[in-house]
Amino acid sequence: EDQVTQSPEALRLQEGESSSLNCSYTVSGLRGLFWYRQDPGKGPEFLFTLYSAGEEKEKERLKATLTKKESFLHITAPKPEDSATYLCAVQDLYYGNNRLAFGKGNQVVVIP
Amino acid sequence: KAGVTQTPRYLIKTRGQQVTLSCSPISGHRSVSWYQQTPGQGLQFLFEYFSETQRNKGNFPGRFSGRQFSNSRSEMNVSTLELGDSALYLCASSSAPGESPLHFGNGTRLTVT
Repeated sequence: EDQVTQSPEALRLQEGESSSLNCSYTVSGLRGLFWYRQDPGKGPEFLFTLYSAGEEKEKERLKATLTKKESFLHITAPKPEDSATYLCAVQDLYYGNNRLAFGKGNQVVVIP
Repeated sequence: KAGVTQTPRYLIKTRGQQVTLSCSPISGHRSVSWYQQTPGQGLQFLFEYFSETQRNKGNFPGRFSGRQFSNSRSEMNVSTLELGDSALYLCASSSAPGESPLHFGNGTRLTVT
């Protein structure tokens, strides 16, 4: 069964203090790894899709990277508006559909 | 382009009752998936529909069911509600099964008392 573990569970950062979130995964075959952002009371908002080891994607202060066993979401010089829960999910080649396995998230608070 | 729309946003039900939740996908999207989100378990896959057919089902009891209509809109039903069914139910859509990414609605918050 696919497994996704995210660490740390919670993180408090000072504004401007860069950090990284970790997502470790186990799948029979990786079709894609996804990062989402979720704000309180809202649904997950899509950030990135990564397909193969060595791939990187960037969006503003966020950069996602992928290896064969884990993914990192780097937050560079964060601002208070980056406060959110970041979710990692994997799509298994075996299923080939929209059955994603999610981690429990990294809750990030950025203090001004 | 309108996003995924879920109704109602909040629902309070009593144990033993049943409930129906509704989802309208993004225009042009034909695949709809449902997820349950709880603080303890996180997001868990319920089922996926495409062309009015259930394509995949997660590890939930038969009390959880769903359907999809010809216009791609979907409903999910939970019968004989239990306290543990209290959760945020999220609907997500994509153009077709396996086509990423999934786009989520803001969910229906179900509270069972």
